[in-house]
Amino acid sequence: KQEVTQIPAALSVPEGENLVLNCSFTDSAIYNLQWFRQDPGKGLTSLLLIQSSQREQTSGRLNASLDKSSGRSTLYIAASQPGDSATYLCAVSSGFQKLVFGTGTRLLVSP
Amino acid sequence: ETGVTQTPRHLVMGMTNKKSLKCEQHLGHNAMYWYKQSAKKPLELMFVYSLEERVENNSVPSRFSPECPNSSHLFLHLHTLQPEDSALYLCASSQGSSLGGYTFGSGTRLTVV
Repeated sequence: KQEVTQIPAALSVPEGENLVLNCSFTDSAIYNLQWFRQDPGKGLTSLLLIQSSQREQTSGRLNASLDKSSGRSTLYIAASQPGDSATYLCAVSSGFQKLVFGTGTRLLVSP
Repeated sequence: ETGVTQTPRHLVMGMTNKKSLKCEQHLGHNAMYWYKQSAKKPLELMFVYSLEERVENNSVPSRFSPECPNSSHLFLHLHTLQPEDSALYLCASSQGSSLGGYTFGSGTRLTVV
């Protein structure tokens, strides 16, 4: 059974810092890995999608890497801003139409 | 309108009520999902529909009844719920094998009183 773990559970940083969020999964047989952002009480916004054959994806200040063999992904946020404050969720597509989520990292960026 | 739309955004219902959640996607996807998000727990997959056929029921109590009349619409019918069913219910869609990733709606915040 696929299990996804995210570390840290919560992170508080001052504005401008570069930061790394970690995601690990137990079964390396995945189709892809997706990072989402969730604001309090809201739905999920897709940030980056990495296929199993890819090593990384970039979008603006965000960069996500994937090391499938070791079961790890990192989300790098450059020059953090208060608007980046949210919960970040990692999810792996593990089998046909099966998306398994981690418990998330709650990020607070203070001005 | 684009993306995945869920209505209502908020719902308060008594334990004896019957209500329905609605989800609509305008992405041309052929698979739709219901997820439940409770406080401090990972998102839990409830139901999967592929080409309007239910392909997965993740041990969900019968007081939750899904319906997928066509590839663009998904409903979750609720009856005789319990207070512990209070949660954020999220709808998502994907195309085929999910290689294109999932798109989520904004969710319905359900409170059972």
